[in-house]
Amino acid sequence: ETGVTQTPRHLVMGMTNKKSLKCEQHLGHNAMYWYKQSAKKPLELMFVYNFKEQTENNSVPSRFSPECPNSSHLFLHLHTLQPEDSALYLCASSQRSKGDYNEQFFGPGTRLTVL
Amino acid sequence: GQNIDQPTEMTATEGAIVQINCTYQTSGFNGLFWYQQHAGEAPTFLSYNVLDGLEEKGRFSSFLSRSKGYSYLLLKELQMKDSASYLCAVMDSNYQLIWGAGTKLIIKP
Repeated sequence: ETGVTQTPRHLVMGMTNKKSLKCEQHLGHNAMYWYKQSAKKPLELMFVYNFKEQTENNSVPSRFSPECPNSSHLFLHLHTLQPEDSALYLCASSQRSKGDYNEQFFGPGTRLTVL
Repeated sequence: GQNIDQPTEMTATEGAIVQINCTYQTSGFNGLFWYQQHAGEAPTFLSYNVLDGLEEKGRFSSFLSRSKGYSYLLLKELQMKDSASYLCAVMDSNYQLIWGAGTKLIIKP
């Protein structure tokens, strides 16, 4: 059991739906991440929050909207998705500090299917 | 561009040894990570190398050569539970992790 939880574990949605993914970390970390994992492809970093502030946004389409209300919670709001957005969405957290190697701890992921 | 290469799939026998290679080209280097990911589960941290050489941790060892842009993960005394994907990732100059696509390791009895 890791210190990072994600809900829901599975989600099926139509292209016109709006849904949200939730992530919570119980490790006292100061950074949280959203990744997309597609079959046989590298993990794609989507968003990074450091001390609740977004520091990275890797050219992610606006149909994905992150929210970080505090250092323990992270959301990914989804709207008007496309079938190619079907993937495993992983949340991770780490304790970012200079000189430290910044190991990331992952949640179990949300398996998203867009019809 | 930045690139991490590792084999897509490998097969090994229970009790044997297997070496999973990873080569990288990144803008800067702040360490290399290996993660294990069982099907349907979260990736879990295995090892971190930032200096050249071999790091041993039980049945698993990880090696790094920065001059060659090369690392390997060595798994000894393979067990069926080692069947998983093994992900190589490099931390670049911006402290971002650049990931390989993963190596699916199949262990046969």
